[in-house]
Amino acid sequence: SQKIEQNSEALNIQEGKTATLTCNYTNYSPAYLQWYRQDPGRGPVFLLLIRENEKEKRKERLKVTFDTTLKQSLFHITASQPADSATYLCALDRTPTNDYKLSFGAGTTVTVRA
Amino acid sequence: SAVISQKPSRDICQRGTSLTIQCQVDSQVTMMFWYRQQPGQSLTLIATANQGSEATYESGFVIDKFPISRPNLTFSTLTVSNMSPEDSSIYLCSVETGYTQGYGYTFGSGTRLTVV
Repeated sequence: SQKIEQNSEALNIQEGKTATLTCNYTNYSPAYLQWYRQDPGRGPVFLLLIRENEKEKRKERLKVTFDTTLKQSLFHITASQPADSATYLCALDRTPTNDYKLSFGAGTTVTVRA
Repeated sequence: SAVISQKPSRDICQRGTSLTIQCQVDSQVTMMFWYRQQPGQSLTLIATANQGSEATYESGFVIDKFPISRPNLTFSTLTVSNMSPEDSSIYLCSVETGYTQGYGYTFGSGTRLTVV
């Protein structure tokens, strides 16, 4: 099964800066890789999905890259705001056969200082 | 995307008792997923519930401990049976809402369970 590693448990940045989060996986490259946001006491909220044949995906101030050679995805929050403070989870297919089951990374908690 | 109503949002239970968690979806979905999130940890898949068939459980989870019902395409329940303090976690249901079309998964707000 996949092992997913997300960089440092916590990331503290100044408002207006770019936060960069890393998601590394160990085995096969998934057909889809997803990023979620989770606030304390709430369920995860879907942010972005990138396919294995896509290099980059953008949504407003968010950007995701996917490098199947490095087995890595980067998640960027540009012009960060205190409201971006949350835990961000990387998720990908559990198996190569796309059985709709996901494995999640442990998450990176981002704190944006005003 | 789908909207999920999950309840209860939290509960404190005595060890040895059982708690049933409900998830109601505002649209018909084929698969529903149940996850556990232990304190400070990420999400772990417990089982997949398809309407009209038995739920399939992941390694480490058994039906006797976590029985699941899926009576129709919009509703599912997860029961945590014979609870112990180790079962204290957040339990979440989830549905796939156009995964291959790029829409990801939708999650309920979670049930925070404390076993004393």
